[in-house]
Amino acid sequence: AQRVTQPEKLLSVFKGAPVELKCNYSYSGSPELFWYVQYSRQRLQLLLRHISRESIKGFTADLNKGETSFHLKKPFAQEEDSAMYYCALSGGGTASKLTFGTGTRLQVTL
Amino acid sequence: GAGVSQSPSNKVTEKGKDVELRCDPISGHTALYWYRQRLGQGLEFLIYFQGNSAPDKSGLPSDRFSAERTGESVSTLTIQRTQQEDSAVYLCASSAGQRLDYTFGSGTRLTVV
Repeated sequence: AQRVTQPEKLLSVFKGAPVELKCNYSYSGSPELFWYVQYSRQRLQLLLRHISRESIKGFTADLNKGETSFHLKKPFAQEEDSAMYYCALSGGGTASKLTFGTGTRLQVTL
Repeated sequence: GAGVSQSPSNKVTEKGKDVELRCDPISGHTALYWYRQRLGQGLEFLIYFQGNSAPDKSGLPSDRFSAERTGESVSTLTIQRTQQEDSAVYLCASSAGQRLDYTFGSGTRLTVV
């Protein structure tokens, strides 16, 4: 079974501070991992996927198979980063759906 | 269209009534997904369409829930004899083929009173 755990419901940081949103997963095969973001009054949208190995809006995430983690990081938080962040997993290959975590609300304050 | 469109955006219904929720995916997106999000919880998978077939309907919580899709176009999620625990935001997403970078709709907020 696939499972995604985001242990923090709320993460509050000061502007300019580093951010790390935690995501752990449970899956026996080779997963594909994603981060989705929902800004206030906007739709849920893709932020990044691990196979792209890209940095979007200053965020990066590295898949650590040993620790079964896919934490989202940004060195310097901005006010506009305040949003709800969801980690998601697919079984890869011809897998048909994403399994989402419960989400972490990031609050960036001055 | 330019994005995934869901209607209605809000629906209040009495317990025991049937409701239909509609999703218009992005043109050309062959895959369509329905998720449910209860207050304070994560996204719960309901059903997945590839074209007009549903290879994975494992998330439908009971036989009161059903969904259909016309070709590679509109999908309708039907909930019969609604219960209060059906109250949630129902999200639809579509993607091109087997790529899993979903484009989400804005959701339908269902309230059963």
